[in-house]
Amino acid sequence: QAVLTQPSSLSASPGASASLTCTLRSGINVGTYRIYWYQQKPGSPPQYLLRYKSDSDKQQGSGVPSRFSGSKDASANAGILLVSGLQSEDEADYYCMIWHNTAAVFGGGTKLTVL
Amino acid sequence: EVQLVESGGGLVKPGESLRLSCAASGFSFSTYSMNWVRQAPGKGLEWVSSISTTGTYTYYADSVKGRFTISRDNAKNSLYLQMNSLRAEDTAVYYCAREVTGTEEIDYWGQGTLVTVSS
Repeated sequence: QAVLTQPSSLSASPGASASLTCTLRSGINVGTYRIYWYQQKPGSPPQYLLRYKSDSDKQQGSGVPSRFSGSKDASANAGILLVSGLQSEDEADYYCMIWHNTAAVFGGGTKLTVL
Repeated sequence: EVQLVESGGGLVKPGESLRLSCAASGFSFSTYSMNWVRQAPGKGLEWVSSISTTGTYTYYADSVKGRFTISRDNAKNSLYLQMNSLRAEDTAVYYCAREVTGTEEIDYWGQGTLVTVSS
């Protein structure tokens, strides 16, 4: 079982909100991890969006709109990236990441389609 | 402005070696840990290796351990990745990426350099 699991795709309409999940493997407690989120558009390197561990340990990436926010669902053992007020430019691949045992681990990515 | 510029990619045969470089500018290089992250064509991101600010500590993904070596030269603001015994599955775009000490976000990425391993 992968350390981080993301749905492969998600579709949402312009102006709506999209909730992207990043589920941690059983036995790895989401509460103890900072979760990092990245956006990648075709042909470009990933861009750092934000970090979220708790409301007192979070950070927005430089220049990242407040439409992007992080949270956790402890009952699902998952991190969540919420994108509000979807715009066509938000169409991209989104990756979550944690540091686990001195290694960075990425989720498989979610392709967000805005249509 | 933070800039990370990778170089050294190319086409090599299985079993051959390649050395990637990353030139950093626009920030105090010696105060940041650095990473290599790769992305195979059409695939997701895979962390490869990281190195501490002074180079004392290095870490590797299991997939490259024993074949790849990360290093840095703080006097030259440069990061390196020596890749030996290359395999077809090492084919990917390799990104140099900066890591914030303490909070550990990988916050800036280079444009990447393509490594193709094929006979």
